[in-house]
Amino acid sequence: SQQGEEDPQALSIQEGENATMNCSYKTSINNLQWYRQNSGRGLVHLILIRSNEREKHSGRLRVTLDTSKKSSSLLITASRAADTASYFCATDAGSGYSTLTFGKGTMLLVSP
Amino acid sequence: SQTIHQWPATLVQPVGSPLSLECTVEGTSNPNLYWYRQAAGRGLQLLFYSVGIGQISSEVPQNLSASRPQDRQFILSSKKLLLSDSGFYLCAWSPRTGWNQPQHFGDGTRLSIL
Repeated sequence: SQQGEEDPQALSIQEGENATMNCSYKTSINNLQWYRQNSGRGLVHLILIRSNEREKHSGRLRVTLDTSKKSSSLLITASRAADTASYFCATDAGSGYSTLTFGKGTMLLVSP
Repeated sequence: SQTIHQWPATLVQPVGSPLSLECTVEGTSNPNLYWYRQAAGRGLQLLFYSVGIGQISSEVPQNLSASRPQDRQFILSSKKLLLSDSGFYLCAWSPRTGWNQPQHFGDGTRLSIL
């Protein structure tokens, strides 16, 4: 079953704009992760935020986590055409085996 | 550095035929290994994971099976493919030790059943 649900399903912006994607989940988690998938390729890990963290940055990426609302957001600042991809959140419920439950993803299109 | 290889990249198989997809990891030892399936326009569904040689956990009942004959080799199999087995199959690994570990994915196999 899929625990994470991303919103919006699709997002279209211009280069230089910021892109914000949201993720909601249902059960308690150990951490939440964001991945990027270019068309027809495997997933690439972007950032991991632990359940006791509220915000994390990596380059142009900013992730927030609100465990009380069971939600997370991914902000990509100053988007580039190369950021065009699908973005997935995934939750680790702390099984000890790092198994993840993925959402359906947000498809981001950045136009030049 | 660690790398993960999956093959073949694409596969077209008739209904009822057998399947074998292979995944190998290099540059690390004792990884956790995972098989996922991704339907078109959807997220990933965890099919199997393994924490050691011969140790396989199945997440969903289905027409598929997995095996781990060597530490860094993970195989996805089927004796008789169904139309519903079509999809994009992804293998991933994560470090065995420690909590809060990311997963690292191969480039996937696109499987079409005719």
